[in-house]
Amino acid sequence: QTVVTQEPSLTVSPGGTVTLTCASITGAVTSGNYPNWFQQKPGQAPRAVIYNTSNKNSWTPARFSGSLLGGKAALTLSGVQPEDEAEYYCLLYFGGVWVFGGGTKLTVL
Amino acid sequence: QVQLVQSGSELKKPGASVKVSCKASGYTFITYALNWVRQAPGQGLEWMGWIDTNTGTPTYAQGLTGRFVFSLDTSVSTAYLQINSLKPEDSAVYYCARESVSRTSMDVWGKGTTVTVSS
Repeated sequence: QTVVTQEPSLTVSPGGTVTLTCASITGAVTSGNYPNWFQQKPGQAPRAVIYNTSNKNSWTPARFSGSLLGGKAALTLSGVQPEDEAEYYCLLYFGGVWVFGGGTKLTVL
Repeated sequence: QVQLVQSGSELKKPGASVKVSCKASGYTFITYALNWVRQAPGQGLEWMGWIDTNTGTPTYAQGLTGRFVFSLDTSVSTAYLQINSLKPEDSAVYYCARESVSRTSMDVWGKGTTVTVSS
């Protein structure tokens, strides 16, 4: 059973920078896992913010960036805004199977 | 515009069945695979599997029992998730999500269908 782990919660001050990570217990995350990041606010459907490691959708704010960092997928928010407070999920691909991480609750305080 | 419109909330008794629909518009339905994702109350997202909209072949996540069935009606660009022999633990929001042509992302999501199973 593939398990994907994320920080359960993080807190950041407005205007600050925060990095969320996504790890696989089976080994290093690579570009071949096509890391995706989703933002979900209460009562809403998830919305893709990063796909295929570092690509942004047209609606993704410029302050969001994706990368690979130390064997993990990473989502960095620079210049955090209050509206960035949300749950963030990563999604990894393992040869025909997609697996979501457990989610990171990001608090902007 | 490209969108996935899901059917409305359902309240069912244990042992009943439910069929959730996901109607696509704004793109060629059979060009993009369709995934199903569920989210139990207060919990995270769980990938349930996907269906090849060109062939109708479903692939289910490991551990998903035979009570879950993915199907299509390509004539109306609609995918379906049927859950049989409902249990209270099936209560969740069920999302459909389009997979990109490159198969590297889930780029368009439905708003979700809430299924509540209670006696």
